[in-house]
Amino acid sequence: DTAVSQTPKYLVTQMGNDKSIKCEQNLGHDTMYWYKQDSKKFLKIMFSYNNKELIINETVPNRFSPKSPDKAHLNLHINSLELGDSAVYFCASSRSGQVTEAFFGQGTRLTVV
Amino acid sequence: AQSVTQLDSQVPVFEEAPVELRCNYSSSVSVYLFWYVQYPNQGLQLLLKYLSGSTLVKSINGFEAEFNKSQTSFHLRKPSVHISDTAEYFCAVMDTGRRALTFGSGTRLQVQP
Repeated sequence: DTAVSQTPKYLVTQMGNDKSIKCEQNLGHDTMYWYKQDSKKFLKIMFSYNNKELIINETVPNRFSPKSPDKAHLNLHINSLELGDSAVYFCASSRSGQVTEAFFGQGTRLTVV
Repeated sequence: AQSVTQLDSQVPVFEEAPVELRCNYSSSVSVYLFWYVQYPNQGLQLLLKYLSGSTLVKSINGFEAEFNKSQTSFHLRKPSVHISDTAEYFCAVMDTGRRALTFGSGTRLQVQP
């Protein structure tokens, strides 16, 4: 009965590779997010989608491309990985309309070597 | 744009002692306020939220926070902490339009026996 699930939980890859992180939510929410948590635990929004439409696109390199095939899924593809991309990436979801909290996944720890 | 300041990066405290984790925010628009908790190697869980109404909000595990508009603060308190409260605590704001969370830098609560 996992609410927001991300795969994989851990990802170790070499510089220059392309990788994807998948996120799925079964809460019936229509808004999904990607957040990045750096080595100092600082969390920052990267993207948000509402009903498969891109709503927020923060200052993120073009190597990062989110894709939302439907309301329940938001995947993150990263091209040409760099050492600085090492971080924990969190997916989250919420319901639009009435303000409510966001529900977070367990995170994907990406290590670029 | 909003910003959130958590002045204390670490707060060591003995078990059964009271604790206060400070959070101040700045915003040019109305915001909603949240506290999230992150246990080691886990995702973020909502601890409590202020959306409207009573300025004092409480969680089921004994934490409470008070929204103070004049001081732009949302400090988190617990009268008696347990070892199991050891975690990273994040204060966050969401503005009424953007719907993405802006997080503080986090406060590590370390409860010692």
